Amino acid sequence: DVKVTQSSRYLVKRTGEKVFLECVQDMDHENMFWYRQDPGLGLRLIYFSYDVKMKEKGDIPEGYSVSREKKERFSLILESASTNQTSMYLCASSQQGRGLGGYTFGSGTRLTVV
Amino acid sequence: AQKVTQAQTEISVVEKEDVTLDCVYETRDTTYYLFWYKQPPSGELVFLIRRNSFDEQNEISGRYSWNFQKSTSSFNFTITASQVVDSAVYFCAVAGGNNRLAFGKGNQVVVIP
Repeated sequence: DVKVTQSSRYLVKRTGEKVFLECVQDMDHENMFWYRQDPGLGLRLIYFSYDVKMKEKGDIPEGYSVSREKKERFSLILESASTNQTSMYLCASSQQGRGLGGYTFGSGTRLTVV
Repeated sequence: AQKVTQAQTEISVVEKEDVTLDCVYETRDTTYYLFWYKQPPSGELVFLIRRNSFDEQNEISGRYSWNFQKSTSSFNFTITASQVVDSAVYFCAVAGGNNRLAFGKGNQVVVIP
């Protein structure tokens, strides 16, 4: 069964900490995405990547960075966590091309910044 | 850039009633894909359907049906004879030539037994 795996289901971090959210996919997909989900706002795209070492900003990249050193792994980095980054974070992957194969999502990481 | 509007926020229905979720999308791409996802309380996004912009044939799959109308940029979703297990948040989404998947804000469906 194909999968997108997010390393943590729940995380609690302190303000100012550097936080790494890890995402791994086993489908050999070229595209990977990070979204955050907040009540009433739906899912908003933070960053995405079409290839290794390649990244593009989404709609809300401020306060975040990403790393894609290997095709299967896409990391979201909060350089200095703040309370307004408390949210559900969802990783997704897809094949190259216009939605070919659809998008597969991980189970999400619920991050609380205190 | 793509945009999706799901006007209703929360919809409550009594079990066995039908429920229709409205979705209006915007895109400048001539080729694009439309999606519906379900998010149960567990949090994982479950893929329901994908349609490309050249396929306006409507579909029924069990208790689910979809109505794609390109002329009005709508991609509505209906659950027939709702059940308690249908209680979830439902998201409509669109992806265009840049592969970016843009979501609506979601519809919270509550099925009352």
